[in-house]
Amino acid sequence: DAGITQSPRHKVTETGTPVTLRCHQTENHRYMYWYRQDPGHGLRLIHYSYGVKDTDKGEVSDGYSVSRSKTEDFLLTLESATSSQTSVYFCAISDITGGAFFGQGTRLTVV
Amino acid sequence: AQTVTQSQPEMSVQEAETVTLSCTYDTSESDYYLFWYKQPPSRQMILVIRQEAYKQQNATENRFSVNFQKAAKSFSLKISDSQLGDAAMYFCAYRSPRGNTPLVFGKGTRLSVIA
Repeated sequence: DAGITQSPRHKVTETGTPVTLRCHQTENHRYMYWYRQDPGHGLRLIHYSYGVKDTDKGEVSDGYSVSRSKTEDFLLTLESATSSQTSVYFCAISDITGGAFFGQGTRLTVV
Repeated sequence: AQTVTQSQPEMSVQEAETVTLSCTYDTSESDYYLFWYKQPPSRQMILVIRQEAYKQQNATENRFSVNFQKAAKSFSLKISDSQLGDAAMYFCAYRSPRGNTPLVFGKGTRLSVIA
């Protein structure tokens, strides 16, 4: 299995609080992604990174920011959590030719 | 922008039978990659099979095979000898060969396997 770890695996937080999810890889892959998964929507891209300090927005980036200060870590921050951000969040990594390998997901509940 | 469409939200198959899941995509690129992912109830996303568009031969992985029709922009997944463990959500995904582009996913097909 690809070395990719998400933390935390579960989190409950209150509306209006900031939340940071961490994705850590040991594969030295260049590309890292954050997706959210909601019923009926499949996986939707939030942000992605194609190198250290190189990031770009996905289709559902509003209310989220990311940072990648080193190859192995990609952080997703919800600046002020809202109930609409209750979801399952997946981090994924890939090289240029391969499919993505996914972390085990983080279930985030905003109350 | 590329799009991926899975037109079957749910499907079912009898154990030991064969089932085909459909996927179509829209792109103006001539070279790209296509993937099928499986997501069982454990929620883990598992890469099942991949296809490079420049290869005419359909990819095969054990009981899983694809029917890649480049001109029709179709990429279906065939599961032979279905097993109870095949019950899952299946996602089709597209990837451009351009370096800084992410995978694009369809909305998924939920497959049930009937004993």
